[in-house]
This record gives sequence, C-alpha cells and structure tokens, in this order.
Amino acid sequence: ETGVTQSPTHLIKTRGQQVTLRCSSQSGHNTVSWYQQALGQGPQFIFQYYREEENGRGNFPPRFSGLQFPNYSSELNVNALELDDSALYLCASSVGQGRGPNRGYTFGSGTRLTVV
Amino acid sequence: GQQLNQSPQSMFIQEGEDVSMNCTSSSIFNTWLWYKQDPGEGPVLLIALYKAGELTSNGRLTAQFGITRKDSFLNISASIPSDVGIYFCAGQPGGSEKLVFGKGTKLTVNP
Repeated sequence: ETGVTQSPTHLIKTRGQQVTLRCSSQSGHNTVSWYQQALGQGPQFIFQYYREEENGRGNFPPRFSGLQFPNYSSELNVNALELDDSALYLCASSVGQGRGPNRGYTFGSGTRLTVV
Repeated sequence: GQQLNQSPQSMFIQEGEDVSMNCTSSSIFNTWLWYKQDPGEGPVLLIALYKAGELTSNGRLTAQFGITRKDSFLNISASIPSDVGIYFCAGQPGGSEKLVFGKGTKLTVNP
C-alpha cells in the first residue's frame, strides 16, 4: 500500500509568480485535504476535495485554488505569490466525505515552498 | 476563529521520565487527535478520540478527551530517545471537514 506522495519536495519561487504543487493520495483514499504549515506553527487548513469538488475551505484568499482528478490525485495552485506564502504545504488523504468523525489523515512529507 | 492553546511549547526531559502535554480551546470539538511530526516529514497520527471522557492508550501513549469537549491531554510514559519530535493536538469541529491544529510541543529527550 503506497502512502501519500507529494512533488516537488522543495521549490523556490519569486514574489508574483505562480506555483503548482502535486499530491497522489494513498491507495483507496478518495478525499484530499491541503494544509499550510508556517515555520514553528501547526498546520492550517486550506481546503478539501472530495469527488473532484471543493468540499470546504479555510481562511485563504482565492489565489489559492485546487483540483482533484478522477484518480483522486490533487493539485494546489497559488497565484501571485507573496513572501508570507513561504511554508511547508502538506497534503493529506482520507476516506469519505470528511464531515464525519476524522479517522486520521495520512499526510505526505510536504513541499517546502520558499518565496523570495 | 477557533484556536487551540497547546502547552508546554517545549520540554527537555531525561530518558525514562514521563511527559504530559495538553490542549485547551474556547470552542467545542467533536473529535480530538494527537499527531507527531519528525523533521522533514508530515504529521503521523498517534491517537484519535471521539467521545467526551474517552481515555485511549497506544503503547506508552495515553490520551483523554475532556468532559467539556474543550480540552485534551497526552501522556507519554517512560520516554525513550525516539520520542523526540513535535507533538500536535488537533480538533475537529462538529459538522466540519477541517482539523484545527495547536502550535505544537517540541520534545527533547536526553539519553
């Protein structure tokens, strides 16, 4: 059983640029959630995708967007990058629509994004 | 918005000692989870709690879901060097798909 894989592992971008981060969910998992983890902080919920549709969103501006594909993999897109977007971006997969009791995500190792 | 206050922020202990950390919130949560994160990795689930008052163990780890549903604690008994890492509590609000995380407790174990 493969876990959650994220790519790339590290990325450096310039302010104002756009970035796409990718996530392959664990085998058998149909829901993907994205979290942003700033240095020294806990992860913060960005959004969740279930059946290729956004299933909930945290306090992030519209320049953060996502996609889920039929094979349940997902992308996180960030436009007009700002310095404060520098963080570890974590993808987490799970089973089911997400509003029931959380049985515990499987997290990937994350993509470390640095905006300069 | 909902916030979790996790304490202590960091702990330095000797191998063999017991450890206790907790999370409190002004909001009610329906689920509490405890995760551990090692450097360069994503968080790994340690214990999940689904009912107020529930006490659950996983090896040397024990966690409890507070009666008020606004707090939880995690205990680690007889710590070993591989317990080093950052421990996060996370709460799931009722009817919500998201988890709200604390800021973490950084644990250092001296051999």
